[in-house]
Amino acid sequence: KQEVTQIPAALSVPEGENLVLNCSFTDSAIYNLQWFRQDPGKGLTSLLLIQSSQREQTSGRLNASLDKSSGRSTLYIAASQPGDSATYLCAVRTKPGSARQLTFGSGTQLTVLP
Amino acid sequence: KAGVTQTPRYLIKTRGQQVTLSCSPISGHRSVSWYQQTPGQGLQFLFEYFSETQRNKGNFPGRFSGRQFSNSRSEMNVSTLELGDSALYLCASSLDRAENTGELFFGEGSRLTVL
Repeated sequence: KQEVTQIPAALSVPEGENLVLNCSFTDSAIYNLQWFRQDPGKGLTSLLLIQSSQREQTSGRLNASLDKSSGRSTLYIAASQPGDSATYLCAVRTKPGSARQLTFGSGTQLTVLP
Repeated sequence: KAGVTQTPRYLIKTRGQQVTLSCSPISGHRSVSWYQQTPGQGLQFLFEYFSETQRNKGNFPGRFSGRQFSNSRSEMNVSTLELGDSALYLCASSLDRAENTGELFFGEGSRLTVL
């Protein structure tokens, strides 16, 4: 059974700092990994999708990497801003053999202080 | 292009009642998935529909059911509500031309409170 872990559970940084969020998964047989952002009381906003054959994806100040063999992904946020404050979730889509669904981590709650 | 639309956004029910939640996917998306989010359990997969067929189901009791219509809109139903069903119910749609590559796009969710 796929398990996804995100460390740390919470992170507080001053504005302008570069930061890294971590995601690890137990079963490396994945199709893809997706990073989401969730603001309080809101739905999930897709940030980046990395296919299993890819090593990284970039969008603006965000860069996500994937090391499938070690079961790890990182989300790098450059020059953080107060508007980046939210909960960041990673989710993996595991190959058939287990349920065809996304398995989510419990998230990292990020606070960027002005 | 409109995103995933969920209705209602908020609702309050009492134990024993039933509830129906609705989800309209992004235009052209044929896959709709439902997730339950609670503080204690996080995000858990309920079921997925594709072309009106349920093709995957999570580990939830039979009180949780769903369906998908020919226009890809989906509904989920929870019967005999329990206090523990209080949660944010999220719907996601995906283009899913290839089964394994679909990026999921989520709606704002339906916040259900059971009293």
